[in-house]
Amino acid sequence: DSGVTQTPKHLITATGQRVTLRCSPRSGDLSVYWYQQSLDQGLQFLIQYYNGEERAKGNILERFSAQQFPDLHSELNLSSLELGDSALYFCASSVAPTGSRTEAFFGQGTRLTVV
Amino acid sequence: GDSVTQMEGPVTLSEEAFLTINCTYTATGYPSLFWYVQYPGEGLQLLLKATKADDKGSNKGFEATYRKETTSFHLEKGSVQVSDSAVYFCALRTGAGGTSYGKLTFGQGTILTVHP
Repeated sequence: DSGVTQTPKHLITATGQRVTLRCSPRSGDLSVYWYQQSLDQGLQFLIQYYNGEERAKGNILERFSAQQFPDLHSELNLSSLELGDSALYFCASSVAPTGSRTEAFFGQGTRLTVV
Repeated sequence: GDSVTQMEGPVTLSEEAFLTINCTYTATGYPSLFWYVQYPGEGLQLLLKATKADDKGSNKGFEATYRKETTSFHLEKGSVQVSDSAVYFCALRTGAGGTSYGKLTFGQGTILTVHP
């Protein structure tokens, strides 16, 4: 158990809908990362938060947004869903992003299926 | 930008065979290097890491050495077991600053299947 909790584990929804994925980081971790794992794109970095503030953006679509709350949990919002958004979405957390020695611990992921 | 290239899979071995999964990288600065493992239906687990040139990371019989001169971080295990069957990801992390603020860049993953 990595200590990172993601809910729900599975989500099936229709095209055009909006969903929210939730992540609770490990106790004491201030930084949260979101990644998307799909068959064609592999593991892609989406966005990162540190202590409530957005710090880095990767290949995140404009239809997607995220935030980190004062209690440090994070939510990834996906809207106007398309079939191609079907993927495994991982959250990871680390104590801090600075310094190349900081380890990231991953949750078990949320499998999103858009039908 | 940063990138990681892994040997193409899938890799199929018999139990007790020697394993090598090649990984090379391109990065600015001095990245840390990682191997993550993903067992069926689970998330990614850190297998081992190395933070500077010539460091050797090791865990559960797996080893990888950070080779700056060849920009490589190949994963090896002397004798694989059926329980090692999983997907293995090589990854790098650069330091703070710019758009690489601690994020991980992953290779495409290598599926390993070990038969009894």
